[in-house]
Amino acid sequence: DAKTTQPNSMESNEEEPVHLPCNHSTISGTDYIHWYRQLPSQGPEYVIHGLTSNVNNRMASLAIAEDRKSSTLILHRATLRDAAVYYCILRPNFGNEKLTFGTGTRLTIIP
Amino acid sequence: EPEVTQTPSHQVTQMGQEVILRCVPISNHLYFYWYRQILGQKVEFLVSFYNNEISEKSEIFDDQFSVERPDGSNFTLKIRSTKLEDSAMYFCASSGQVLSNQPQHFGDGTRLSIL
Repeated sequence: DAKTTQPNSMESNEEEPVHLPCNHSTISGTDYIHWYRQLPSQGPEYVIHGLTSNVNNRMASLAIAEDRKSSTLILHRATLRDAAVYYCILRPNFGNEKLTFGTGTRLTIIP
Repeated sequence: EPEVTQTPSHQVTQMGQEVILRCVPISNHLYFYWYRQILGQKVEFLVSFYNNEISEKSEIFDDQFSVERPDGSNFTLKIRSTKLEDSAMYFCASSGQVLSNQPQHFGDGTRLSIL
Protein backbone atom coordinates (compact mmCIF):
# COMPACT_ATOMS: atom_id res chain seq x y z
CA ASP A 1 0.00 0.00 0.00
CA ALA A 2 1.22 3.49 -0.83
CA LYS A 3 2.13 5.33 2.34
CA THR A 4 0.97 8.70 3.67
CA THR A 5 2.71 10.94 6.19
CA GLN A 6 0.81 13.32 8.45
CA PRO A 7 1.80 15.42 11.47
CA ASN A 8 0.90 13.68 14.72
CA SER A 9 -1.00 16.66 16.07
CA MET A 10 -2.14 20.18 15.27
CA GLU A 11 -3.96 22.93 17.13
CA SER A 12 -6.22 25.62 15.77
CA ASN A 13 -8.37 28.38 17.17
CA GLU A 14 -12.10 28.09 16.94
CA GLU A 15 -13.68 29.87 13.98
CA GLU A 16 -10.40 30.01 12.06
CA PRO A 17 -9.44 27.97 8.98
CA VAL A 18 -7.44 24.79 9.44
CA HIS A 19 -5.06 23.31 6.89
CA LEU A 20 -4.20 19.66 7.50
CA PRO A 21 -1.29 18.46 5.33
CA CYS A 22 -0.60 14.99 3.97
CA ASN A 23 2.43 13.78 2.03
CA HIS A 24 2.10 10.82 -0.30
CA SER A 25 5.19 10.90 -2.49
CA THR A 26 4.77 7.28 -3.68
CA ILE A 27 1.20 7.75 -4.89
CA SER A 28 0.39 5.90 -8.09
CA GLY A 29 -1.49 7.41 -11.00
CA THR A 30 -4.71 5.58 -10.15
CA ASP A 31 -4.78 6.18 -6.38
CA TYR A 32 -7.56 8.33 -4.98
CA ILE A 33 -6.85 10.49 -1.92
CA HIS A 34 -9.43 9.96 0.81
CA TRP A 35 -9.88 11.79 4.10
CA TYR A 36 -11.75 10.40 7.06
CA ARG A 37 -11.99 11.65 10.61
CA GLN A 38 -12.72 9.99 13.92
CA LEU A 39 -14.39 11.98 16.65
CA PRO A 40 -13.90 10.79 20.23
CA SER A 41 -15.76 7.54 20.97
CA GLN A 42 -17.13 7.31 17.42
CA GLY A 43 -16.40 5.37 14.27
CA PRO A 44 -14.50 6.90 11.38
CA GLU A 45 -16.46 9.36 9.28
CA TYR A 46 -15.93 10.07 5.59
CA VAL A 47 -14.91 13.66 4.88
CA ILE A 48 -13.90 14.00 1.23
CA HIS A 49 -11.94 12.37 -1.59
CA GLY A 50 -10.36 13.35 -4.89
CA LEU A 51 -8.05 12.23 -7.67
CA THR A 52 -6.41 15.25 -9.32
CA SER A 53 -8.60 18.32 -9.10
CA ASN A 54 -9.44 20.24 -5.96
CA VAL A 55 -12.73 19.18 -4.42
CA ASN A 56 -15.26 20.94 -2.21
CA ASN A 57 -18.18 19.62 -0.21
CA ARG A 58 -20.24 20.80 2.73
CA MET A 59 -17.68 19.57 5.24
CA ALA A 60 -14.35 20.60 3.77
CA SER A 61 -12.16 21.30 0.76
CA LEU A 62 -9.36 19.14 -0.60
CA ALA A 63 -6.44 20.79 -2.32
CA ILE A 64 -4.26 18.40 -4.32
CA ALA A 65 -0.77 19.39 -5.44
CA GLU A 66 -0.15 19.39 -9.17
CA ASP A 67 2.30 16.47 -8.89
CA ARG A 68 -0.15 14.71 -6.52
CA LYS A 69 2.60 14.02 -4.00
CA SER A 70 0.83 15.98 -1.32
CA SER A 71 -2.63 17.21 -0.42
CA THR A 72 -4.23 19.48 2.14
CA LEU A 73 -7.57 19.14 3.84
CA ILE A 74 -9.07 22.55 4.55
CA LEU A 75 -11.69 23.17 7.19
CA HIS A 76 -12.86 26.67 6.42
CA ARG A 77 -14.04 27.64 9.89
CA ALA A 78 -13.19 25.23 12.66
CA THR A 79 -15.68 24.52 15.40
CA LEU A 80 -15.21 22.58 18.62
CA ARG A 81 -17.01 19.70 16.96
CA ASP A 82 -14.15 19.40 14.45
CA ALA A 83 -11.77 18.17 17.16
CA ALA A 84 -10.91 14.68 15.93
CA VAL A 85 -8.21 12.48 14.44
CA TYR A 86 -7.97 13.10 10.69
CA TYR A 87 -6.75 10.32 8.41
CA CYS A 88 -5.38 10.75 4.90
CA ILE A 89 -5.70 7.45 3.01
CA LEU A 90 -4.72 6.41 -0.51
CA ARG A 91 -7.12 4.03 -2.19
CA PRO A 92 -6.64 2.29 -5.53
CA ASN A 93 -9.18 3.15 -8.20
CA PHE A 94 -10.66 -0.26 -8.67
CA GLY A 95 -13.35 -2.07 -6.79
CA ASN A 96 -14.26 -1.06 -3.30
CA GLU A 97 -11.08 -1.84 -1.51
CA LYS A 98 -10.46 -1.79 2.21
CA LEU A 99 -9.26 1.38 3.88
CA THR A 100 -5.77 1.29 5.38
CA PHE A 101 -5.63 3.71 8.30
CA GLY A 102 -2.44 5.27 9.60
CA THR A 103 -2.07 7.17 12.86
CA GLY A 104 -3.55 10.39 11.45
CA THR A 105 -3.39 13.93 12.80
CA ARG A 106 -5.04 14.70 16.11
CA LEU A 107 -6.65 18.14 15.71
CA THR A 108 -7.32 20.15 18.85
CA ILE A 109 -9.58 23.19 18.62
CA ILE A 110 -8.91 25.98 21.11
CA PRO A 111 -12.05 27.90 22.17
CA GLU B 1 -29.33 10.69 6.83
CA PRO B 2 -29.14 6.86 6.77
CA GLU B 3 -26.77 5.35 9.32
CA VAL B 4 -24.95 2.11 10.02
CA THR B 5 -26.10 0.82 13.39
CA GLN B 6 -24.24 -1.62 15.61
CA THR B 7 -25.37 -3.61 18.61
CA PRO B 8 -24.56 -3.99 21.39
CA SER B 9 -22.56 -0.84 22.14
CA HIS B 10 -20.59 -2.74 24.78
CA GLN B 11 -20.14 -6.50 25.14
CA VAL B 12 -18.37 -8.15 28.05
CA THR B 13 -17.50 -11.82 27.58
CA GLN B 14 -15.45 -14.46 29.34
CA MET B 15 -12.36 -15.70 27.52
CA GLY B 16 -13.14 -18.76 25.44
CA GLN B 17 -16.78 -17.85 24.91
CA GLU B 18 -18.35 -17.17 21.53
CA VAL B 19 -19.50 -13.66 20.73
CA ILE B 20 -21.61 -12.27 17.89
CA LEU B 21 -21.43 -8.60 16.97
CA ARG B 22 -24.31 -7.26 14.96
CA CYS B 23 -24.54 -4.55 12.34
CA VAL B 24 -27.33 -3.15 10.23
CA PRO B 25 -25.72 -1.53 7.17
CA ILE B 26 -27.35 1.22 5.14
CA SER B 27 -30.22 -0.44 3.34
CA ASN B 28 -29.25 -0.16 -0.33
CA HIS B 29 -25.54 -0.77 0.20
CA LEU B 30 -23.75 -3.70 -1.38
CA TYR B 31 -20.31 -3.82 0.27
CA PHE B 32 -19.78 -4.60 3.92
CA TYR B 33 -16.70 -4.42 6.12
CA TRP B 34 -15.49 -5.10 9.62
CA TYR B 35 -12.60 -3.21 11.20
CA ARG B 36 -11.25 -3.22 14.72
CA GLN B 37 -9.31 -0.73 16.85
CA ILE B 38 -7.40 -1.88 19.89
CA LEU B 39 -7.26 0.88 22.50
CA GLY B 40 -4.69 3.50 21.51
CA GLN B 41 -3.87 1.82 18.20
CA LYS B 42 -4.78 2.21 14.54
CA VAL B 43 -8.04 1.16 12.93
CA GLU B 44 -7.30 -2.23 11.31
CA PHE B 45 -9.17 -3.91 8.46
CA LEU B 46 -10.56 -7.37 9.19
CA VAL B 47 -12.77 -8.44 6.29
CA SER B 48 -14.83 -7.25 3.36
CA PHE B 49 -17.98 -8.95 2.08
CA TYR B 50 -19.78 -8.63 -1.22
CA ASN B 51 -22.39 -10.69 -3.01
CA ASN B 52 -22.70 -13.06 -0.05
CA GLU B 53 -19.07 -13.97 0.13
CA ILE B 54 -15.83 -12.71 1.60
CA SER B 55 -13.96 -10.61 -0.96
CA GLU B 56 -10.86 -9.92 1.15
CA LYS B 57 -9.62 -10.69 4.64
CA SER B 58 -6.61 -9.68 6.68
CA GLU B 59 -4.18 -11.87 8.61
CA ILE B 60 -6.09 -11.02 11.78
CA PHE B 61 -9.22 -12.69 10.38
CA ASP B 62 -8.26 -16.28 11.14
CA ASP B 63 -10.54 -19.31 11.45
CA GLN B 64 -11.83 -18.10 14.80
CA PHE B 65 -13.66 -15.33 12.94
CA SER B 66 -16.62 -15.60 10.60
CA VAL B 67 -19.06 -13.24 8.98
CA GLU B 68 -22.58 -13.75 7.83
CA ARG B 69 -25.43 -11.85 6.27
CA PRO B 70 -28.26 -13.97 7.63
CA ASP B 71 -31.07 -11.89 6.15
CA GLY B 72 -31.46 -8.83 3.97
CA SER B 73 -30.58 -6.37 6.70
CA ASN B 74 -28.08 -7.75 9.24
CA PHE B 75 -24.34 -8.33 8.92
CA THR B 76 -22.69 -10.20 11.77
CA LEU B 77 -19.17 -10.91 12.98
CA LYS B 78 -18.70 -14.03 15.08
CA ILE B 79 -15.66 -14.84 17.17
CA ARG B 80 -15.82 -18.52 18.13
CA SER B 81 -13.50 -18.70 21.10
CA THR B 82 -12.51 -15.27 22.33
CA LYS B 83 -9.02 -14.42 23.56
CA LEU B 84 -7.89 -11.55 25.77
CA GLU B 85 -6.27 -9.91 22.74
CA ASP B 86 -9.66 -9.73 20.98
CA SER B 87 -10.58 -6.87 23.32
CA ALA B 88 -11.10 -3.87 21.01
CA MET B 89 -13.64 -1.60 19.36
CA TYR B 90 -15.18 -3.34 16.37
CA PHE B 91 -16.54 -1.15 13.59
CA CYS B 92 -18.87 -2.20 10.83
CA ALA B 93 -18.94 -0.22 7.58
CA SER B 94 -20.84 -0.32 4.35
CA SER B 95 -20.56 1.30 0.95
CA GLY B 96 -23.05 1.66 -1.79
CA GLN B 97 -22.56 1.14 -5.40
CA VAL B 98 -20.50 -1.05 -7.64
CA LEU B 99 -18.65 2.07 -8.81
CA SER B 100 -15.19 2.14 -7.32
CA ASN B 101 -14.04 4.46 -4.58
CA GLN B 102 -17.37 4.95 -2.93
CA PRO B 103 -17.08 6.28 0.63
CA GLN B 104 -17.45 3.84 3.47
CA HIS B 105 -20.00 4.66 6.14
CA PHE B 106 -19.10 3.47 9.63
CA GLY B 107 -21.13 2.61 12.68
CA ASP B 108 -20.14 3.83 16.12
CA GLY B 109 -18.76 0.45 17.04
CA THR B 110 -19.09 -2.26 19.65
CA ARG B 111 -16.64 -2.21 22.51
CA LEU B 112 -15.70 -5.84 23.17
CA SER B 113 -14.12 -6.56 26.55
CA ILE B 114 -12.76 -10.06 27.17
CA LEU B 115 -12.26 -11.04 30.79
